[in-house]
Amino acid sequence: ETGVTQSPTHLIKTRGQQVTLRCSSQSGHNTVSWYQQALGQGPQFIFQYYREEENGRGNFPPRFSGLQFPNYSSELNVNALELDDSALYLCASSAEQGRGTEAFFGQGTRLTVV
Amino acid sequence: GDSVTQMEGPVTLSEEAFLTINCTYTATGYPSLFWYVQYPGEGLQLLLKATKADDKGSNKGFEATYRKETTSFHLEKGSVQVSDSAVYFCALSDIGNQFYFGTGTSLTVIP
Repeated sequence: ETGVTQSPTHLIKTRGQQVTLRCSSQSGHNTVSWYQQALGQGPQFIFQYYREEENGRGNFPPRFSGLQFPNYSSELNVNALELDDSALYLCASSAEQGRGTEAFFGQGTRLTVV
Repeated sequence: GDSVTQMEGPVTLSEEAFLTINCTYTATGYPSLFWYVQYPGEGLQLLLKATKADDKGSNKGFEATYRKETTSFHLEKGSVQVSDSAVYFCALSDIGNQFYFGTGTSLTVIP
């Protein structure tokens, strides 16, 4: 059983550019969530996808958008990058929508905006 | 809204010392509570969890008890090892499995 994988592991972008981050969920998991982890902080919830539909969104502007595909993999897109978008972006997948369900995290994509 | 407040770090302990990391939460509903650990260069891993009041989660010698009356979920270990050095995150999740994390506590255990 493969875990959650994210790509790329690192990237550097220029302010104003657009970026796409990718995530393959763990086998059998239909829910994918994205988190932003700034340096020295805990992860902050961006949004969640459940069976290809957005299923909740945190306090992030619309330039943060996403997709979930029929195989439950997911993309996070960020437009008009700002310096403050520099962070570790974590993808998490889970098997069901239920109380106490564990989220399995990938190792993250380190985004640097210059 | 939902939130988690976690003891600030960093924490440095000698091997075999007792560890406590405090965590309190605010929630509109009845959340599940978690401790996740992040070892250097790795992703977040679940350490333990509890889903209802008075439940005790435990794993690898770590324990935490869901205290609804004090809205707390403090992490404890009786005897830490060098291999426990990591960043520890307290978190809660609601029915939608959206997680709210504390800021993390960095633990360094010295031989």
